[in-house]
Amino acid sequence: QVQLQESGPGLVKPSETLSLTCTVSGVSINTGGYYWSWIRQHQGKGLEWIGYIYYTGSTYYNPSLKNRVAISLDPSTNQFSLRLSSVTAADTAIYYCAREYLHTATTYYFDYWGQGTPVTVSS
Amino acid sequence: SAELTQDPAVSVALGQTVRITCQGDILRRFYASWYQQTPGQAPLLVFFGKNNRPPGIPDRFSGSSSGNTASLTITGAQAGDEAVYHCSSRASSTNPNVVFGGGTKLTVL
Repeated sequence: QVQLQESGPGLVKPSETLSLTCTVSGVSINTGGYYWSWIRQHQGKGLEWIGYIYYTGSTYYNPSLKNRVAISLDPSTNQFSLRLSSVTAADTAIYYCAREYLHTATTYYFDYWGQGTPVTVSS
Repeated sequence: SAELTQDPAVSVALGQTVRITCQGDILRRFYASWYQQTPGQAPLLVFFGKNNRPPGIPDRFSGSSSGNTASLTITGAQAGDEAVYHCSSRASSTNPNVVFGGGTKLTVL
């Protein structure tokens, strides 16, 4: 059974760096066809894609966050991580890690999600 | 730009059929995936692609796609179907952004 679990500080000070880790179980993150993703959701709002990393280490980020985001992979621990720098109150949200699967060339979907972790940016 | 548009809210009488739509030019090239989200929970995949329902999802959930519009249909809506439904797609093969719609709040009356 595939499971994802986010971990990290729930409170980050403005201008500092938010760091979260997603621990994956039930599948190796070194497997092709999966994009290991971070998604966030502001209170009462829709979902916002942050970015993903492929098992090769290739990354792609939401252009609106690109200058502040870094996603990395650690196959030895079967984890992937998010770093978001220079945070402000606007980065306060629930952060989800998820697995996106390449079903066909025209169909992708997120089949497994973590439970989500709330992060508040405040001094 | 790559955007997906959803109606903010839709309602349906208990036992009736409701269609939730998602519009965007990127849907001419990629199929949508659909997620159900109840309060305090992570999104749950309920439909994807041309005609695919994940294991465990009731067959009252179905999907379709035509032109720039993808639809999720719930036939015989139940109280437990009340949730926010999100659609998602990739932007393009050369622009691999992931795009989400704004979500549709479904109320079952």
